[in-house]
Amino acid sequence: GAVVSQHPSRVICKSGTSVKIECRSLDFQATTMFWYRQFPKQSLMLMATSNEGSKATYEQGVEKDKFLINHASLTLSTLTVTSAHPEDSSFYICSARDLDREAGGYTFGSGTRLTVV
Amino acid sequence: GQNIDQPTEMTATEGAIVQINCTYQTSGFNGLFWYQQHAGEAPTFLSYNVLDGLEEKGRFSSFLSRSKGYSYLLLKELQMKDSASYLCACMDSNYQLIWGAGTKLIIKP
Repeated sequence: GAVVSQHPSRVICKSGTSVKIECRSLDFQATTMFWYRQFPKQSLMLMATSNEGSKATYEQGVEKDKFLINHASLTLSTLTVTSAHPEDSSFYICSARDLDREAGGYTFGSGTRLTVV
Repeated sequence: GQNIDQPTEMTATEGAIVQINCTYQTSGFNGLFWYQQHAGEAPTFLSYNVLDGLEEKGRFSSFLSRSKGYSYLLLKELQMKDSASYLCACMDSNYQLIWGAGTKLIIKP
């Protein structure tokens, strides 16, 4: 089945530094990937839609200069949290669509727990 | 506006049956998903319904009524490992997923 690999699974960084999270589709090509953020006891919140070869589409209220998304190939999207602050601490999850699969083809990465100290 | 409603929390007994309801209002409809999410982990796919009716998959079943904007997830023969959050999500006309807040299911022995 479709597999999405997300790294790192857990990262602790100092306030003011940048963190890069990678999302890879391992056995399919993903023209579109999605980045979500989830705070404790809350549902997934879509941050942005990453499109291969073009600019990402950000949801309202998400700062595109702070959350840099790059989707340079059909199997890799990266999210960089720039100048991280403690309020950016959250669970970040990527998702990719394998259009050859049934059921909409949404597969999730394992998530990245970011803690900014 | 778009909205997904599901109960915040439910409690059930090991070995019993539980039904988690979800009502939705979306701009267009291209199917409804149920995902299971254990604490600290990413969601895992359970089911997808796009036509009215019941889809059965082992101990889990999912039902959809498009005319009523309603779905439920039915879990049978509950096991302790079923303790998790269950997320209802609809795919709108733009094929974007609209997520409910999730239902935390607590299983007691």
